[in-house]
Amino acid sequence: EAGVAQSPRYKIIEKRQSVAFWCNPISGHATLYWYQQILGQGPKLLIQFQNNGVVDDSQLPKDRFSAERLKGVDSTLKIQPAKLEDSAVYLCASSFRSRGDTYEQYFGPGTRLTVT
Amino acid sequence: KNEVEQSPQNLTAQEGEFITINCSYSVGISALHWLQQHPGGGIVSLFMLSSGKKKHGRLIATINIQEKHSSLHITASHPRDSAVYICAVGAGGTSYGKLTFGQGTILTVHP
Repeated sequence: EAGVAQSPRYKIIEKRQSVAFWCNPISGHATLYWYQQILGQGPKLLIQFQNNGVVDDSQLPKDRFSAERLKGVDSTLKIQPAKLEDSAVYLCASSFRSRGDTYEQYFGPGTRLTVT
Repeated sequence: KNEVEQSPQNLTAQEGEFITINCSYSVGISALHWLQQHPGGGIVSLFMLSSGKKKHGRLIATINIQEKHSSLHITASHPRDSAVYICAVGAGGTSYGKLTFGQGTILTVHP
């Protein structure tokens, strides 16, 4: 079974530039998550999709971040314009409902973004 | 106070030692996850548990729902166990598996 795919793996941009990340979840997983992980911290949920609908985007800085999941499969996360504090690893994960209210999440390798 | 607290934040051990990482949480959960993250790598799920104890190889995870506490044990630690170990809790209901993460425990095992 193929895992969660993300691209690019690394990206270096200057502040005020734009950047986009792509995620392809595991086939059949209805739920997709984007996380931001700043060095030394645990991941923080940015946005969560159930199929192509948004379940939670309460921590997404909507003035500069946007995400979409067209057709309920692949997803893109965009930052426009980037700030220095956006330097982090951006993780994509997908999950399926395993039993009751529990979901097994699978994580992609992440995209390491450096904003200079 | 964070909803998920891990201790210790940093842990150094000699090869062969028994290791324990603790996780306390303050919210109701449907499941607790232990995750492993190697430097530069993605996150791998080690355990998902909602009660009792699970074992996989040299790794053991326990959870006490009443005390809202979980532990991850590594027996006969090895340098390849060096990684960041993250505790995360999943809410139930309509959250569709949303996880709240601890800050992680950095484990270094020396040969």
